[in-house]
Amino acid sequence: SQTIHQWPATLVQPVGSPLSLECTVEGTSNPNLYWYRQAAGRGLQLLFYSVGIGQISSEVPQNLSASRPQDRQFILSSKKLLLSDSGFYLCAWSPRDYIYEQYFGPGTRLTVT
Amino acid sequence: LAKTTQPISMDSYEGQEVNITCSHNNIATNDYITWYQQFPSQGPRFIIQGYKTKVTNEVASLFIPADRKSSTLSLPRVSLSDTAVYYCLVGGISSGSARQLTFGSGTQLTVLP
Repeated sequence: SQTIHQWPATLVQPVGSPLSLECTVEGTSNPNLYWYRQAAGRGLQLLFYSVGIGQISSEVPQNLSASRPQDRQFILSSKKLLLSDSGFYLCAWSPRDYIYEQYFGPGTRLTVT
Repeated sequence: LAKTTQPISMDSYEGQEVNITCSHNNIATNDYITWYQQFPSQGPRFIIQGYKTKVTNEVASLFIPADRKSSTLSLPRVSLSDTAVYYCLVGGISSGSARQLTFGSGTQLTVLP
C-alpha cells in the first residue's frame, strides 16, 4: 500500500531563517506530487506541483521554492521566512493523470515568529 | 475554470442523512466532480468522485443531474465523527489540469448529538 511521510510535524522558526520541509512517498511510482498551504480557518492553496523529477510548476508567487530530486521525494524550501509564511503545509500525491484522487501527508504546522 | 459554490456550514443530528450540494454552473465537458473530507489538523481525505448520474461507495453517494451544473454529496446516517469540512472540486483529471486545483473554503458540517 502507498504511504506518504512528511516532517517535521511542527516547526517554529524566526523571521529571516531558512526552511526545508521534506515529503516522501512509498509504494507507488511516477506519482504527481503537490505542496499546499492552509492558513487558519481557510481552504487549501496549491503552491507547487510536480509531474516528474526536476519538473516543478509554481502556482503562487512567493519566497518559497520546491524541488523534486528523486521520483518520490518532494522538498519545500525558503531562504528567508516571512511572518506570512506561517500555516499548515501539506504534501500530497496522486496517480499520474488522475490528479483529483489525492492522498495527503500528516502536514507540518509552521509558525514564523 | 469551473467555479464551485457550497454552503459555508450545515448542522445535522446523529443518525440523519446529510446532503451537501455544490453548484458548478460552468463545468466543462471533461471535468470530473470530486469530494474531500478534512478533519482539524489533518490533510483532506478523498471521499468520492463522479462524472454523471450516481456514484456510491462505502462512505457516501454522489448524485449528479443530467446537466451536471450541480452535485450532491449524500452521507447516510451521520455520526459525531462525521463532523468535518467537506470540499467540492471540479476539473479535468489529467496532469495538465493540476493548476486548476482549488479546494475553496468548503462546507463545515457539524453533527450534533
